[in-house]
Amino acid sequence: DTEVTQTPKHLVMGMTNKKSLKCEQHMGHRAMYWYKQKAKKPPELMFVYSYEKLSINESVPSRFSPECPNSSLLNLHLHALQPEDSALYLCASSQAGGGRDEKLFFGSGTQLSVL
Amino acid sequence: DAKTTQPPSMDCAEGRAANLPCNHSTISGNEYVYWYRQIHSQGPQYIIHGLKNNETNEMASLIITEDRKSSTLILPHATLRDTAVYYCIVRVGGAGGTSYGKLTFGQGTILTVHP
Repeated sequence: DTEVTQTPKHLVMGMTNKKSLKCEQHMGHRAMYWYKQKAKKPPELMFVYSYEKLSINESVPSRFSPECPNSSLLNLHLHALQPEDSALYLCASSQAGGGRDEKLFFGSGTQLSVL
Repeated sequence: DAKTTQPPSMDCAEGRAANLPCNHSTISGNEYVYWYRQIHSQGPQYIIHGLKNNETNEMASLIITEDRKSSTLILPHATLRDTAVYYCIVRVGGAGGTSYGKLTFGQGTILTVHP
């Protein structure tokens, strides 16, 4: 199984809503990532978890709250978002060994629209 | 991580080889060259990576110049399904690097394969 599964595929939320994005992998990977991608732009790194601990936060606003409950799951909790946060949110995982074969496997993303 | 420069777009005829260049003139000795691609509405997909030597796998070949300042991704027989954005990325490998865990995307090259 080389899949990273993201749910939901599409999400529409208001600025006062609270919602969560979910990401799951069963490859035994110990690093998991959240990226944000605006239309016609490259993905931008948001967070990196390594061995269930947050290792990189790219100065992301606190209205985005990541959580890694176990080595297979990664959540992104959303609260009080702005319309400009509308984007494709991508999850990825990798072995976390930091070695030569540090390939990232990406999910298909959640397309988020904030109204 | 070193910065990369890629042409914004390229065309290729189906069945022909697609040669995608990437300039990374500031690459350091311990930085790997990675290639990913992103087909519309999907997450990025790993293609190939290398350090010094040329590499080949079932998807593509990677040719790295001797001075490592540039590389070329070769898709030997392009098909319509190879139409995608191709990203060339250089990043530090090995545990403990300051950019460990980061994969920073540039603008990429939009490859269009024509019938």
